[in-house]
Amino acid sequence: GNSVTQMEGPVTLSEEAFLTINCTYTATGYPSLFWYVQYPGEGLQLLLKATKADDKGSNKGFEATYRKETTSFHLEKGSVQVSDSAVYFCALIKFSGGYNKLIFGAGTRLAVHP
Amino acid sequence: EPEVTQTPSHQVTQMGQEVILRCVPISNHLYFYWYRQILGQKVEFLVSFYNNEISEKSEIFDDQFSVERPDGSNFTLKIRSTKLEDSAMYFCASSGTSGEETQYFGPGTRLLVL
Repeated sequence: GNSVTQMEGPVTLSEEAFLTINCTYTATGYPSLFWYVQYPGEGLQLLLKATKADDKGSNKGFEATYRKETTSFHLEKGSVQVSDSAVYFCALIKFSGGYNKLIFGAGTRLAVHP
Repeated sequence: EPEVTQTPSHQVTQMGQEVILRCVPISNHLYFYWYRQILGQKVEFLVSFYNNEISEKSEIFDDQFSVERPDGSNFTLKIRSTKLEDSAMYFCASSGTSGEETQYFGPGTRLLVL
């Protein structure tokens, strides 16, 4: 079946450090891939997405590239800020005519210290 | 920017009581979803809804759960007889016309069953 595996957290970084959060997936066919972010006390916000192989999604300095050969969609940011502290969820959708369900990874908590 | 809204933000109920969680999806969206997140765990799909009927449901979505779109704007999740293990954050999401895969989430309702 379809599944998403993320690196376990928490990830603790100093401000301006480089961030990588690993995400790999298992799916039949060609899913679309997403990163959602959940700030403390808030709901899920779409951070970025990629819908086909070699696509790069980017937003707010974050980026992730859809790598079909390694079935990965790692999240990166060159210089993190304290305000980036949140839980990050990798997810996939297997599009099936509109009746889609997101399959989430377990989430990775990021804590950025000044 | 259009957004998904949910009410209430928090609900405390006694085991065995009925609860109704309410959502107002983005106005021109056609596909509606409920997900839940038990504290510290991953976000899980519950049900998807399109054209006034359930299109897919998970194993979690048993006979105690029901969904309804009673008018042109609200989308509700009802739990008939709550159990302790129903305590979770419940997220509503919506997505647009066929081919639009991005799901936009509401801020969630935190349900506590005592």
